[in-house]
Amino acid sequence: GESVGLHLPTLSVQEGDNSIINCAYSNSASDYFIWYKQESGKGPQFIIDIRSNMDKRQGQRVTVLLNKTVKHLSLQIAATQPGDSAVYFCAESKSELGGTSYGKLTFGQGTILTVHP
Amino acid sequence: EAGVAQSPRYKIIEKRQSVAFWCNPISGHATLYWYQQILGQGPKLLIQFQNNGVVDDSQLPKDRFSAERLKGVDSTLKIQPAKLEDSAVYLCASTAQYTGELFFGEGSRLTVL
Repeated sequence: GESVGLHLPTLSVQEGDNSIINCAYSNSASDYFIWYKQESGKGPQFIIDIRSNMDKRQGQRVTVLLNKTVKHLSLQIAATQPGDSAVYFCAESKSELGGTSYGKLTFGQGTILTVHP
Repeated sequence: EAGVAQSPRYKIIEKRQSVAFWCNPISGHATLYWYQQILGQGPKLLIQFQNNGVVDDSQLPKDRFSAERLKGVDSTLKIQPAKLEDSAVYLCASTAQYTGELFFGEGSRLTVL
């Protein structure tokens, strides 16, 4: 079946650098995309989301970019901190009647981000 | 606001034994999900409940997995009999109806020997 995947399994950066984590998706019907952060021993934590009618969305220190033409999603983290070290997952879903699909997500494999002090 | 509660956090069983996991979602969240996360992979949806009804269980291995949410609040996920490949973290998540953010619990880690 269709799935979401990541280009790079690991990313190592220095504290203060900007980080970019990439994701490719294959389901052209997906219209909702989310980035999650997962620390060891914990459940995934919502970072930021974007709908398909947008190509960029900014949060606190994070920006998500969506390129529907090439089915590509990226997460940019500004001024990366050691506390940002975790596994980052992108996930996708598509709208269903009644709005019941928000939690029906297809996750990618994940990128391990390591931030060195 | 309390988060999604799950128990037990860890469970070790032998193959062919049974196990049950419990989840209490965030108060007022009508929609509840169970995900399976195998080591090194992203979570995979097993089942979705809306109140006490099953919305989607198409990816639940029904020969050994079962789940219920009888009163529309707490949920249990059962595996019987367990196989080695069931070793994973079982994540429960919930969302308020019609909103986008999904809240995950910390998960129940199952090891099948």
